Amino acid sequence: DQQVKQNSPSLSVQEGRISILNCDYTNSMFDYFLWYKKYPAEGPTFLISISSIKDKNEDGRFTVFLNKSAKHLSLHIVPSQPGDSAVYFCAAGPTQGGSEKLVFGKGTKLTVNP
Amino acid sequence: DTEVTQTPKHLVMGMTNKKSLKCEQHMGHRAMYWYKQKAKKPPELMFVYSYEKLSINESVPSRFSPECPNSSLLNLHLHALQPEDSALYLCASSQGDRVFETQYFGPGTRLLVL
Repeated sequence: DQQVKQNSPSLSVQEGRISILNCDYTNSMFDYFLWYKKYPAEGPTFLISISSIKDKNEDGRFTVFLNKSAKHLSLHIVPSQPGDSAVYFCAAGPTQGGSEKLVFGKGTKLTVNP
Repeated sequence: DTEVTQTPKHLVMGMTNKKSLKCEQHMGHRAMYWYKQKAKKPPELMFVYSYEKLSINESVPSRFSPECPNSSLLNLHLHALQPEDSALYLCASSQGDRVFETQYFGPGTRLLVL
């Protein structure tokens, strides 16, 4: 049973436009959420995170939105650049309750076309 | 230095072989992780070491044996693996083992079991 779901395996966007990557989670204990980016032959690198006490966190071109009632988060990249082409993983975990571990989604492959 | 190194990059082994994967970080992190990732699947947590002690074992078969010789090194000893164990094995480290501590990943070891 997937606790973190990224339902779009791929997304293609034109350079300069907005990229929106979506993620849904099922575990109501999850209260910390992260996005990682992965280039081929490299490990995932941390991009941005958000705690459940917030509904938005922004870092430069990257903004993460959290809708707790819908158990949904999204990553907005604007403007998108060709160098953003990578696989983006959503991850979530609980900060309470003992066994704290991250659960990852399957990833969305973003292609930004010049 | 935010680098996590892993050796070897690639490994091919038979089902009767014994091999080891190595991971190293020099960031002073006290938590280290092993993840397994199969194609088109999310990274799945295998083990967590916190302050050189095994804190999480996600019911991983005993043919995988982790070892943390010191705070900078993490090994994964492999013995009598099955072809279905072929995957990308990712190592990560973080300051502490809380979910909100950023995990830094290595590039992974791609393992093929014949």
